[in-house]
Amino acid sequence: SQQGEEDPQALSIQEGENATMNCSYKTSINNLQWYRQNSGRGLVHLILIRSNEREKHSGRLRVTLDTSKKSSSLLITASRAADTASYFCATPDDKIIFGKGTRLHILP
Amino acid sequence: DVKVTQSSRYLVKRTGEKVFLECVQDMDHENMFWYRQDPGLGLRLIYFSYDVKMKEKGDIPEGYSVSREKKERFSLILESASTNQTSMYLCASSLWGASSNQPQHFGDGTRLSIL
Repeated sequence: SQQGEEDPQALSIQEGENATMNCSYKTSINNLQWYRQNSGRGLVHLILIRSNEREKHSGRLRVTLDTSKKSSSLLITASRAADTASYFCATPDDKIIFGKGTRLHILP
Repeated sequence: DVKVTQSSRYLVKRTGEKVFLECVQDMDHENMFWYRQDPGLGLRLIYFSYDVKMKEKGDIPEGYSVSREKKERFSLILESASTNQTSMYLCASSLWGASSNQPQHFGDGTRLSIL
């Protein structure tokens, strides 16, 4: 059962620019999570945003949640080469369901 | 920091072999999970466990079994390996409670090739 779906599938930007990724989901949720995966490694949890929150920050990351539109966005400001990775949103069903991810490539 | 350790980063096995993938976590987490990750298909849940000796099927349990004899260890078993089980296998753990509300902590994965 697929819940979250990231958009775009792939994104290339210049170092220093901001990167925005979006996640849309189908059913009501009580939270949404974002994860990062570097090539060949496991996923790393970035942020959990609850349904009663509209925005959350962590360092250069900003996550928004719009429950009326059933969508979330992840903004990475002042991107760096180390931000090159795949980013996944994860939404709850009876367990977490991961989207297929956005592949972000930061160009030097 | 939570550490989830998978026993092998790379593994090559032959068709028909019984394969064991081991995962250990050091944070006393109740929940543990096994996923496989394939290009274009994302992460798919194979099995999860919310307590010792407890297991629940995920979305794609066929051809796999699991064992959780101790809280910190969760093993994935391929009963008779087949080439379509070639994949990246990821183990994860999380605190007790509804697993969908807890952040998951992942190991670095085992890239398994079945020849």
